[in-house]
Amino acid sequence: EADIYQTPRYLVIGTGKKITLECSQTMGHDKMYWYQQDPGMELHLIHYSYGVNSTEKGDLSSESTVSRIRTEHFPLTLESARPSHTSQYLCASSDSTTDTQYFGPGTRLTVL
Amino acid sequence: QKEVEQDPGPLSVPEGAIVSLNCTYSNSAFQYFMWYRQYSRKGPELLMYTYSSGNKEDGRFTAQVDKSSKYISLFIRDSQPSDSATYLCAMTKSGGYQKVTFGIGTKLQVIP
Repeated sequence: EADIYQTPRYLVIGTGKKITLECSQTMGHDKMYWYQQDPGMELHLIHYSYGVNSTEKGDLSSESTVSRIRTEHFPLTLESARPSHTSQYLCASSDSTTDTQYFGPGTRLTVL
Repeated sequence: QKEVEQDPGPLSVPEGAIVSLNCTYSNSAFQYFMWYRQYSRKGPELLMYTYSSGNKEDGRFTAQVDKSSKYISLFIRDSQPSDSATYLCAMTKSGGYQKVTFGIGTKLQVIP
């Protein structure tokens, strides 16, 4: 059973607001990931981290930023939300041996 | 051409049918293979993972990997309406710090 949590689950916010999506895991995994997924579409990797103080951009360009100050915590921040940021954001973590990823429930973001 | 190809469907089957879901890939370096189930508006849930070639069974689910053909399959026996979801294949190379490559997902509908 995966223990990875995301808050909020749903967020509706106006254009220009700063938002932070929270992700935490209790499995002690070094690796964590953020994906963006539009309804019925494929997953797109936007950020990943292989450990504390390590962050990298993913395959899909994103205006969001991430930080990894603690192993269990990997928040994603949008400094100024726009309607084009409307999507589902999925956080995942993986163990170092198999890279099997475990996903959180996701945050559905709507920017008006 | 994508590294991992997966038919997006949708695939509709009657309840009780045997379902076969497949992915092909082009990179022979892939060693770990995973199947995820994703219900609408939820995060993907890990169903099965296998290392290298062979079969793995878990209840009604069987995963097969044929590395010589670069082809992986997930079989669902006695399919149930609750199996209706999108099924994503995923794979990664061995060794540390490898990113996971996901298929686009196949949408399955099991009709009562």
